[in-house]
Amino acid sequence: GENVEQHPSTLSVQEGDSAVIKCTYSDSASNYFPWYKQELGKGPQLIIDIRSNVGEKKDQRIAVTLNKTAKHFSLHITETQPEDSAVYFCAASRGRNQFYFGTGTSLTVIP
Amino acid sequence: KAGVTQTPRYLIKTRGQQVTLSCSPISGHRSVSWYQQTPGQGLQFLFEYFSETQRNKGNFPGRFSGRQFSNSRSEMNVSTLELGDSALYLCASSLLGQTLETQYFGPGTRLLVL
Repeated sequence: GENVEQHPSTLSVQEGDSAVIKCTYSDSASNYFPWYKQELGKGPQLIIDIRSNVGEKKDQRIAVTLNKTAKHFSLHITETQPEDSAVYFCAASRGRNQFYFGTGTSLTVIP
Repeated sequence: KAGVTQTPRYLIKTRGQQVTLSCSPISGHRSVSWYQQTPGQGLQFLFEYFSETQRNKGNFPGRFSGRQFSNSRSEMNVSTLELGDSALYLCASSLLGQTLETQYFGPGTRLLVL
């Protein structure tokens, strides 16, 4: 089955700096890659996603890049704010509504 | 529109007991997926239901089962609980459960097995 690895497991940045989280996947048939943000006591919330026919997608301060050849994708958060502090999960899916998640990155933005 | 709701939010059980968790999807959503979240393993897919039928299943033992009702509400059951079943159980709903469709997660049920 699919195996998704996520790094780093923890990340601390100063407010206003950028944060980058990287994921690799093993199944070349995976074609959908969502990113989720999970705040304490809440379920994961989709923040951005990318399809395999797209190399990059941006939504305000958040961007995701995908390298299908290398089988890795990354989340970029610019101008970080304290409210960006949360656990972020990447995921990969080849369809059939079945997702494989990374182990999460705990991001702390220091004011 | 109300989000995905899960009940109960917290549960304490002892080894050997069984437990039933409930999930109400977003109105109109017909696909419900269940995940187990633990610090060591992250989010792991349990199963997905669509139109009262289990459509996909992850690599969990038969002690984990579920069902879906005609109103798309879903229940998950774990029998003969083990200490390792302590986790946050999340359900997620989507409209039709099709490829590339967004999943919306509930807040989860935190299960502690003593």
